[in-house]
Amino acid sequence: DTAVSQTPKYLVTQMGNDKSIKCEQNLGHDTMYWYKQDSKKFLKIMFSYNNKELIINETVPNRFSPKSPDKAHLNLHINSLELGDSAVYFCASSQDGGSGNQPQHFGDGTRLSIL
Amino acid sequence: GESVGLHLPTLSVQEGDNSIINCAYSNSASDYFIWYKQESGKGPQFIIDIRSNMDKRQGQRVTVLLNKTVKHLSLQIAATQPGDSAVYFCAERAGSYQLTFGKGTKLSVIP
Repeated sequence: DTAVSQTPKYLVTQMGNDKSIKCEQNLGHDTMYWYKQDSKKFLKIMFSYNNKELIINETVPNRFSPKSPDKAHLNLHINSLELGDSAVYFCASSQDGGSGNQPQHFGDGTRLSIL
Repeated sequence: GESVGLHLPTLSVQEGDNSIINCAYSNSASDYFIWYKQESGKGPQFIIDIRSNMDKRQGQRVTVLLNKTVKHLSLQIAATQPGDSAVYFCAERAGSYQLTFGKGTKLSVIP
């Protein structure tokens, strides 16, 4: 009965590789997000999609490309991975039309480590 | 730029005591605030929220207080339990339709 699920939970890979992280929510929410949490626990939004449309695109390198095949899924593809990409990536969802005035529900994160 | 921050990065509390976690924000346009709890290896978990037209809201063992005059938000946990040990984040919504998270406070409960 997991609400927001991400795969994989851990991802260890070499610099320069391309990798994807998948996210699915079964809450029926219309908005999904990707956040990056650094080693100091600071959470920063990367992207937000409402009904498959991109509504927030923070200053993120274009090596990061989100894709939303439907409103229950938001995947994150990362090209040419760099050491600085090492972090925990969280997916979240909410039912607020992208307005940000309802609580967001988070997955348990994907810990990405670049060697 | 305007940001959300926390007064204390760490807080140690005796089991059974009350805990108070503070958060300062600087964006006077913020109209919605949330507290999250993050346990080790898990994602942030929603605890309680409050809108700017309120100054207090209570949940189960938790109370959030909002003081708009001094731009201060606090989370009070009554009868703190070992299971309350976690990192607590405040988050605010300003006009940009996204949440901005504070830096987090680590709460350690001493048995």
